Amino acid sequence: GAGVSQSPSNKVTEKGKDVELRCDPISGHTALYWYRQRLGQGLEFLIYFQGNSAPDKSGLPSDRFSAERTGESVSTLTIQRTQQEDSAVYLCASSNWGGGAYGYTFGSGTRLTVV
Amino acid sequence: DAKTTQPTSMDCAEGRAANLPCNHSTISGNEYVYWYRQIHSQGPQYIIHGLKNNETNEMASLIITEDRKSSTLILPHATLRDTAVYYCIGRSKLSGTYKYIFGTGTRLKVLA
Repeated sequence: GAGVSQSPSNKVTEKGKDVELRCDPISGHTALYWYRQRLGQGLEFLIYFQGNSAPDKSGLPSDRFSAERTGESVSTLTIQRTQQEDSAVYLCASSNWGGGAYGYTFGSGTRLTVV
Repeated sequence: DAKTTQPTSMDCAEGRAANLPCNHSTISGNEYVYWYRQIHSQGPQYIIHGLKNNETNEMASLIITEDRKSSTLILPHATLRDTAVYYCIGRSKLSGTYKYIFGTGTRLKVLA
C-alpha cells in the first residue's frame, strides 16, 4: 500500500483482557518499529525488527508485551492481561533500510483504552 | 547518545517564519539530525534531516551550527496547518542496535 496501515484505529478493552494490534508496513521496507505514546507525552520505543535479524525488544515494558513479524511483512503487537496504564496510542513505523537517512513513515496509530 | 533538548512550546504569527531550536551537543560526528512533526491525532511525519550542511526542501529549512551541537528548523511562512508538535531527534545505539529517541518535542502554535 501507499503508507503504513494500522488496525484497529481504536480499541476499548476491559482490564485483564488480551489485545492484538496490527501493522502493515510499506512494501519493501525492511525495518519496522513500534512506539507507545501516552497522552501528552513523547514517543516511547518498544521494539524494532530489521529483516530476518533477531528483534530488538529492549523497549518492551514488561513480559505482558510481545510482538511478531513474519519476514518483511505484517507485524502484530500483543498485550496480555491489559492494565489501565497500557492505555495509549501505539504507533508503528517502517523504513526502507535500518532506520537510515530517509527516516520513518508512521501509521496513524491504534488508540488503546483499557477500562 | 544523541540526546536532544527542545523548548516545550512556542507561538508564531501566521505568515511569519517559525524558528524551532534544538540542542544536540552529544550527537556523534557521523549521525544525522532528523526533524519530524506530529499533527493532532496523526502519526509523526518526516520533515527534513541533515548532517553538516544546511538543508532545504519544500517543507522547511534546517540550519546546523558548525560545531553540530545545535540546529534550527525554519518554517519560512507558517500557516495554521503547521500547528503541531515538532520533534528533533538523533539516533542512539542502545542495546546493540540503533534507535531513534523521541523526546516530548516543541509544541508550535501558529496564531491567526
